[in-house]
Amino acid sequence: QQPVQSPQAVILREGEDAVINCSSSKALYSVHWYRQKHGEAPVFLMILLKGGEQKGHEKISASFNEKKQQSSLYLTASQLSYSGTYFCGTLRMDSSYKLIFGSGTRLLVRP
Amino acid sequence: SAVISQKPSRDICQRGTSLTIQCQVDSQVTMMFWYRQQPGQSLTLIATANQGSEATYESGFVIDKFPISRPNLTFSTLTVSNMSPEDSSIYLCSVKEDRDRDTEAFFGQGTRLTVV
Repeated sequence: QQPVQSPQAVILREGEDAVINCSSSKALYSVHWYRQKHGEAPVFLMILLKGGEQKGHEKISASFNEKKQQSSLYLTASQLSYSGTYFCGTLRMDSSYKLIFGSGTRLLVRP
Repeated sequence: SAVISQKPSRDICQRGTSLTIQCQVDSQVTMMFWYRQQPGQSLTLIATANQGSEATYESGFVIDKFPISRPNLTFSTLTVSNMSPEDSSIYLCSVKEDRDRDTEAFFGQGTRLTVV
């Protein structure tokens, strides 16, 4: 079952903050966040694991509430380059490696 | 990280025909996947491509419609058979270098398919 993301879309001014949420009805092993720009491949941002460990490559923070099966991605002091569609990918406890992606959140950062 | 090349990058096909999409990786990878992304939508997993054996398909996807091959650790193909306009989508190849559930997957640029 596909995780639910909110909001569906958000428009920011450069320097503003945003939070993107991802919620699943199933017990999760981890949450993976990706950003996709129009016409490009999804790019890995971060993995959030049970127990609080995070693995990421960019200056973007996130949280993972294992009990609620929820994750949030925090975009602070947004830059123009943050524009794109953000997807959370969930890895369930009862599956092998099989990422199921949320519906996506479109983010537009304006000057 | 692995570099993934997909061919073709885009194509326009007649209904009833088939198209084979290639995914080439510059290094050996453990896992390969195929996703579909309909316009403005999320990524939907079609199947896991298994080396030397039949692919593992997700609910709603069947081998007759989406035959997949994976002859080695760097290459896979996805065929979209007997196409209809509903098959118009972006098809993405994704790879993982290991079976560790704590590591990321990488995506190719995708193949934009339009069926007319």
